[in-house]
Amino acid sequence: EDQVTQSPEALRLQEGESSSLNCSYTVSGLRGLFWYRQDPGKGPEFLFTLYSAGEEKEKERLKATLTKKESFLHITAPKPEDSATYLCAVTSYSGGGADGLTFGKGTHLIIQP
Amino acid sequence: DADVTQTPRNRITKTGKRIMLECSQTKGHDRMYWYRQDPGLGLRLIYYSFDVKDINKGEISDGYSVSRQAQAKFSLSLESAIPNQTALYFCATSDPHQETQYFGPGTRLLVL
Repeated sequence: EDQVTQSPEALRLQEGESSSLNCSYTVSGLRGLFWYRQDPGKGPEFLFTLYSAGEEKEKERLKATLTKKESFLHITAPKPEDSATYLCAVTSYSGGGADGLTFGKGTHLIIQP
Repeated sequence: DADVTQTPRNRITKTGKRIMLECSQTKGHDRMYWYRQDPGLGLRLIYYSFDVKDINKGEISDGYSVSRQAQAKFSLSLESAIPNQTALYFCATSDPHQETQYFGPGTRLLVL
């Protein structure tokens, strides 16, 4: 059974204070690791897909990296508008949900002005 | 216009009632999914469909049924709603060549 664990559960930063969110995963054959952003009352918004260890992707102040056991979402000089819940999810070749995503519980990020 | 739409956006119903949540997409994707989100539990897969003739159970399908009326439409039904089905429900779509799933805005369901 695929498992995804995100840490910390919540993180409060000052504007401009860089940090990283962690996503640890246990799967039998990773197909893809996905990062989403979710604002209150809205659907998850796609950010990145990573497929193999060593892969990195960037978008504005966000950078996602992948190893064989975990992924990091690095946030550089964050702004208040980056406040949201960040979700990590995986698909695998043997996932219980077959083609569905297995999600972590998310990291609730608050950026204070 | 949004690529993935869900109706209704909010729904209050009573225990034992049958309700249907609807999802439509304009992305042209073959694959569609239903998830539910509960505080502290994250998003969990209920059902998914690869095309109109293909329906598959997800992690938590008990108490739910689905119908794929067309490539663009995928409905979720609660045959006899119960209070622990109170949750936020999301529809998603994906292109099999990219695997990335795109989510709708969600339906907030309250079962009294």
